[in-house]
Amino acid sequence: GAVVSQHPSWVICKSGTSVKIECRSLDFQATTMFWYRQFPKQSLMLMATSNEGSKATYEQGVEKDKFLINHASLTLSTLTVTSAHPEDSSFYICSAKGLAGDHEQYFGPGTRLTVT
Amino acid sequence: GQNIDQPTEMTATEGAIVQINCTYQTSGFNGLFWYQQHAGEAPTFLSYNVLDGLEEKGRFSSFLSRSKGYSYLLLKELQMKDSASYLCAVRDGDYKLSFGAGTTVTVRA
Repeated sequence: GAVVSQHPSWVICKSGTSVKIECRSLDFQATTMFWYRQFPKQSLMLMATSNEGSKATYEQGVEKDKFLINHASLTLSTLTVTSAHPEDSSFYICSAKGLAGDHEQYFGPGTRLTVT
Repeated sequence: GQNIDQPTEMTATEGAIVQINCTYQTSGFNGLFWYQQHAGEAPTFLSYNVLDGLEEKGRFSSFLSRSKGYSYLLLKELQMKDSASYLCAVRDGDYKLSFGAGTTVTVRA
């Protein structure tokens, strides 16, 4: 089956610093990847849709200058949280859309970000 | 936009059956998904419905009625490991998923 990895699995950073999270599709090419955020005991909220070779599309209320998304290749998308603050502490999950005709989205294992 | 409702919590006994309902109101519909999520982990895919009717997959079944904006996930022969959060998600025409808040199922011995 399709496998999506995320790195790092958890990270602690100081307020004001930036953190980069990588999302990789290991055994398939993903033209579209999605980034979600999940606060404790809440559901997943879509942050942005990332398409290879083009600018990401952000959901309403998500600051594109704070959450920088790059999808430079068919197997890699990155999310950079710039000038992180404690309220950015959350569980960040990426998913990759499968090949044409495949209805699934394949989720990565998630990255736990804690900003101190 | 999407409005997706599901119960917050359910409790059942090991070996029993539990049905988790999900109702939705959407601006576009391209399939309904059910995911299982254990605490601190990413969701794992359980089922997918795009046409009306029942989809059975081992101990799990999912039903969809598009005209009623309604789905349910049926968990049979409950096991302790089924204790988790179950997420109902609706996909739109752009393949974006909107998730419900999740139903926490607790299985008791």
